[in-house]
Amino acid sequence: GIQVEQSPPDLILQEGANSTLRCNFSDSVNNLQWFHQNPWGQLINLFYIPSGTKQNGRLSATTVATERYSLLYISSSQTTDSGVYFCAVGSNYKLTFGKGTLLTVNP
Amino acid sequence: DVKVTQSSRYLVKRTGEKVFLECVQDMDHENMFWYRQDPGLGLRLIYFSYDVKMKEKGDIPEGYSVSREKKERFSLILESASTNQTSMYLCASSPEGHPSYEQYFGPGTRLTVT
Repeated sequence: GIQVEQSPPDLILQEGANSTLRCNFSDSVNNLQWFHQNPWGQLINLFYIPSGTKQNGRLSATTVATERYSLLYISSSQTTDSGVYFCAVGSNYKLTFGKGTLLTVNP
Repeated sequence: DVKVTQSSRYLVKRTGEKVFLECVQDMDHENMFWYRQDPGLGLRLIYFSYDVKMKEKGDIPEGYSVSREKKERFSLILESASTNQTSMYLCASSPEGHPSYEQYFGPGTRLTVT
């Protein structure tokens, strides 16, 4: 099956800093999503981005499908950005999740 | 907005009990999924369903069964709960395909089996 690697596994930032999270995957995909898991366990959809670039406020994402990676950019981080960020990839409707990046934003 | 709801946020059951976890979505999605999430192991797919009464095994189906009698509802059944089934259970739904397979998740059920 598809292998998904996320880096870094842990990241600590000061409020206001920028960060880049990376997701590498081992096979071609037509489905890629980024999620943020809040402290209560809810997975929040950030981006559906099997290719190209999207932006939503302080967050943006880029997927280069031919090179099998995706990047999530967080600018001007806030304490509420803390949590685990997951990349999930797949063919059609079946997703395989990475292990996540634990982001801590300190005030 | 897509809404996926799960019947309980927290559940405590005894070993050997039959446990039902219910999931309902309100977006007329064809696909529904059950995952479990464990520390260090991430999210793993238990079962999914692509239509009413249709189901396929995911990566870790052992000890579980599912039921989908109506399009909006997908149930996960633990026939005889065991302590190694203590976990966070997440339900998701997605449309059938074009233009998107985007999955949407419910709030999760933290199940403890004692």
